[in-house]
Amino acid sequence: DAGITQSPRYKITETGRQVTLMCHQTWSHSYMFWYRQDLGHGLRLIYYSAAADITDKGEVPDGYVVSRSKTENFPLTLESATRSQTSVYFCASSERGQAFFGQGTRLTVV
Amino acid sequence: GENVEQHPSTLSVQEGDSAVIKCTYSDSASNYFPWYKQELGKRPQLIIDIRSNVGEKKDQRIAVTLNKTAKHFSLHITETQPEDSAVYFCAAINNNAGNMLTFGGGTRLMVKP
Repeated sequence: DAGITQSPRYKITETGRQVTLMCHQTWSHSYMFWYRQDLGHGLRLIYYSAAADITDKGEVPDGYVVSRSKTENFPLTLESATRSQTSVYFCASSERGQAFFGQGTRLTVV
Repeated sequence: GENVEQHPSTLSVQEGDSAVIKCTYSDSASNYFPWYKQELGKRPQLIIDIRSNVGEKKDQRIAVTLNKTAKHFSLHITETQPEDSAVYFCAAINNNAGNMLTFGGGTRLMVKP
């Protein structure tokens, strides 16, 4: 579990601001994912990446941007934060289906 | 794409009793089925998984069964303990078509002492 880390752990931002959540893994897993977790909605996939420079939309991509210039990093950017994006965000990496999650980032948009 | 349904959404059992959580999936090509446990305020963690060439897998008090024909799989926890209280997620994936996990909606298990 220590192989995948997210930063920051907690973030408060204002509506309209841009904010970037960082995710770093040390396993060289090909796949990386961003999920958001809201009460009553389980884990919803925002974006995923199959390899460096390959990204694709998940279930709820609107308002988010991702990039993957290096295998180990997969940042998630909220271009103009809205209150509805208040959530807990989990990054994960996977190889052969076994996914390992970061510790999460609790984002509050005020 | 894949759709995973999970039931029940909440489950309350007495300590020592068994708990069963059931999931169904839609894509017959899915071939890997992991289960995750998420304690309050923590990250989801893999607790057991099963691949489509196996019908059942056990690890101490937890077991998972898979019925490919019916497209459903289940998590069984025996002799439940208070520390089993958590949210459990099932997931399904087709390893031959990428590694995108589709999660069920989760089950909140409460084990009463």
